[in-house]
Amino acid sequence: DTEVTQTPKHLVMGMTNKKSLKCEQHMGHRAMYWYKQKAKKPPELMFVYSYEKLSINESVPSRFSPECPNSSLLNLHLHALQPEDSALYLCASSQTLAGDYEQYFGPGTRLTVT
Amino acid sequence: KNQVEQSPQSLIILEGKNCTLQCNYTVSPFSNLRWYKQDTGRGPVSLTIMTFSENTKSNGRYTATLDADTKQSSLHITASQLSDSASYICVVSALGGTSYGKLTFGQGTILTVHP
Repeated sequence: DTEVTQTPKHLVMGMTNKKSLKCEQHMGHRAMYWYKQKAKKPPELMFVYSYEKLSINESVPSRFSPECPNSSLLNLHLHALQPEDSALYLCASSQTLAGDYEQYFGPGTRLTVT
Repeated sequence: KNQVEQSPQSLIILEGKNCTLQCNYTVSPFSNLRWYKQDTGRGPVSLTIMTFSENTKSNGRYTATLDADTKQSSLHITASQLSDSASYICVVSALGGTSYGKLTFGQGTILTVHP
């Protein structure tokens, strides 16, 4: 099974809402990633977890808060977002953080902030 | 600064024709190069991954080449199908340093296959 699942598929939220994105993998991967992708642009790395510890934070605003409750789950908590945060949010996982390993991407959550 | 450049930005071909997409990179130290296919609104799906010592790799109708000396790669699609319409992204991974754990993405080539 090489599947990364993400829920929800679509999310519409107001600027005062609090919501969460969820990502799950059962491949035994120990590195998990959050990316943000705007239309017709490549994915931009946001956060990386390695062995359930935050390893990389690409200077992401604090209105995005990642959480890795266990080795299979990755959450992204959203609060007080701005309309420009509307994008496709992709989760990915790899065996470890080392660059030799394949990254498997989930189908993404399409987020719209109104 | 690590960079990946792809050409062309977009390409339109007729069903059944072949095409070649290009990728140039300046990522150092080089670990591997990947080609991903991304359908609109979906996550990228890996087509091939090549290390320094590999100069060609195939996956069905997709064949990727790598010239590590000139830091160039190409993705050749044979006998295109309508379902090949997607964005094709060249992605390079560094061995370590400040880029450890990070991928450098190209801007992608948008391929449209017409019947």
